[in-house]
Amino acid sequence: NAGVTQTPKFRVLKTGQSMTLLCAQDMNHEYMYWYRQDPGMGLRLIHYSVGEGTTAKGEVPDGYNVSRLKKQNFLLGLESAAPSQTSVYFCASSYPLMWEQYFGPGTRLTVT
Amino acid sequence: QKEVEQDPGPLSVPEGAIVSLNCTYSNSAFQYFMWYRQYSRKGPELLMYTYSSGNKEDGRFTAQVDKSSKYISLFIRDSQPSDSATYLCATNSGGGADGLTFGKGTHLIIQP
Repeated sequence: NAGVTQTPKFRVLKTGQSMTLLCAQDMNHEYMYWYRQDPGMGLRLIHYSVGEGTTAKGEVPDGYNVSRLKKQNFLLGLESAAPSQTSVYFCASSYPLMWEQYFGPGTRLTVT
Repeated sequence: QKEVEQDPGPLSVPEGAIVSLNCTYSNSAFQYFMWYRQYSRKGPELLMYTYSSGNKEDGRFTAQVDKSSKYISLFIRDSQPSDSATYLCATNSGGGADGLTFGKGTHLIIQP
């Protein structure tokens, strides 16, 4: 049981490049989330999904897109990376209507 | 004003001391209160949770919520060097679908 896994662990992008972060969970959770964590800002919700084929915006969605084509996967896309998107990105999942979220190990992204 | 306020520290105490970590929140709709622990370069993991007001104890850890003053506390007794981590308080209004609202986290250092 791997829990929540994230790919890649590290990435360096140049301004304007695009990339996709992959999150996978094997706990059969309905809900999945993408957060970013910045020094002095804490964890902030980017987008979330309450089921396969559904997504919704969180607190800081601008510059990101997401897709949930399969229940176990949640993808976060950056179409045109900006230095302000330098951050640590965490994926999380949970059962419906439950407050306990299980987090992945994070992806450290640097945009130069 | 951020909805959950937390002193980022660092808070440094000697081994064996009682540690008190605190948060305040502004939204009276919040009902679920959680403490997550995050070790360096890892994802957060749930430590404790409480619903509404009151205390909850788990081993050396006690979580306390005072809804009248919108104050959340975590107490750690007989602190150990392995307790050194960042502690994040989190809340939501119930349902969990729209993610959690996190404090910035308090960096705790237990000196051997």
